[in-house]
Formats: sequence, structure tokens, C-alpha cells
Amino acid sequence: AQTVTQSQPEMSVQEAETVTLSCTYDTSESDYYLFWYKQPPSRQMILVIRQEAYKQQNATENRFSVNFQKAAKSFSLKISDSQLGDAAMYFCAYREGYALNFGKGTSLLVTP
Amino acid sequence: DTGVSQDPRHKITKRGQNVTFRCDPISEHNRLYWYRQTLGQGPEFLTYFQNEAQLEKSRLLSDRFSAERPKGSFSTLEIQRTEQGDSAMYLCASSLVSRQAFFGQGTRLTVV
Repeated sequence: AQTVTQSQPEMSVQEAETVTLSCTYDTSESDYYLFWYKQPPSRQMILVIRQEAYKQQNATENRFSVNFQKAAKSFSLKISDSQLGDAAMYFCAYREGYALNFGKGTSLLVTP
Repeated sequence: DTGVSQDPRHKITKRGQNVTFRCDPISEHNRLYWYRQTLGQGPEFLTYFQNEAQLEKSRLLSDRFSAERPKGSFSTLEIQRTEQGDSAMYLCASSLVSRQAFFGQGTRLTVV
């Protein structure tokens, strides 16, 4: 079974600063998708960014970007110019076929 | 609101009772997924449907769990003879085939 590891249970960043959340995964496949989801307290999970494994270029979405290292099976999320509204649980997920396999999440605290 | 809708949002039940949760997906989405999320963990895949067909159910947690999607629209997840270990957030998501999954806000189940 594929596994997703998020080694940082909690991270803290000051408003306007940059933070990087780590994720590693295990797979023997060459074609798959990777995602970062955000889950604010008591609110639904929303997609932050996705990366197709066959694409070498790192995905970016406004202040969010990834560092995808396929050989190292690493998929980190960088949040630039952090805002108070970025505070949430962040989950890294791997998809091969139909099911998403999630890590345990990283709780991001944003301080003023 | 045209997002994924789940009902109820919260359910408290006594051990041994049966419970049923409902999920209404985004209307044009043909795939519907159920996940379970326990405290401090990422969501765990349970089952999914493509239209009315349940294409994967081997990861349902036990034979006490069952799901239906009778007309390819809404879905229900039933847990029979609930146990305290069933206490969790049950998440529903929907998507078009091979597109991003959109999550509902979840049903929080507490078994007392």
C-alpha cells in the first residue's frame, strides 16, 4: 500500500513570512498525482494545489507552490506571504487510480 | 450552495444502534467517495461509486459498514451495531472521473 508521511505535526509562521511543509511518499508507480489539501477547523477540506508526476515543472497557485522531487519521492508545499487565513491542517495526499491516500497532516499556526 | 452536502453534521448514538448518513454530491459528478477521519489522522478511504455502481468496497472497515447510491445521485453510508471505535468524522467527496475531488463538511459521529 502507498504511504504518505508528513514529519511535521505542527508548524508556526509569522504573518507575511514563508513556510515550507514537508511530505514524502512511497510508491513503485511512475504515473500518479499528488495533492495538498487544507482543512480549516470545523470546515471542509479544500484543494490547495495538485501535481502530476509526469510533469517536471513544479505547480504553483498564487502564494502556494510545491517542490516536487520525483526521485526522492518528496513533495513539499511552500506558502509565501503567509496570511492569518492560512491557519489550518494541511494534508498531503497521493492518488493512484481512484483513492486518495493521506498523510497525518501538519497543523499550521499563523501568528500576527 | 452547489457543493457537496452531508447530513447530519453531527450524530450522537448509543453503542449498538444503527446509524445512516447521507451525502449529496455536486450534481454533475459521477464519482462519489466515502472517507473516515479519526482524531489526529488524515482521511482514510472507505469506498467509492461511479454512477450507481460501487466499484470498490474492500476497504470498508467491517461488514457492519455498507453504502448505497441507488440512482447514481445521493449516497448513504450505514453503520450497524455501532461501537465506540466507530466514533470519527465521516467525509464524503465527489468528482468527475480523474478530476479533483470536492469534499463535504463531514458528519461527526460520537458513539456513547
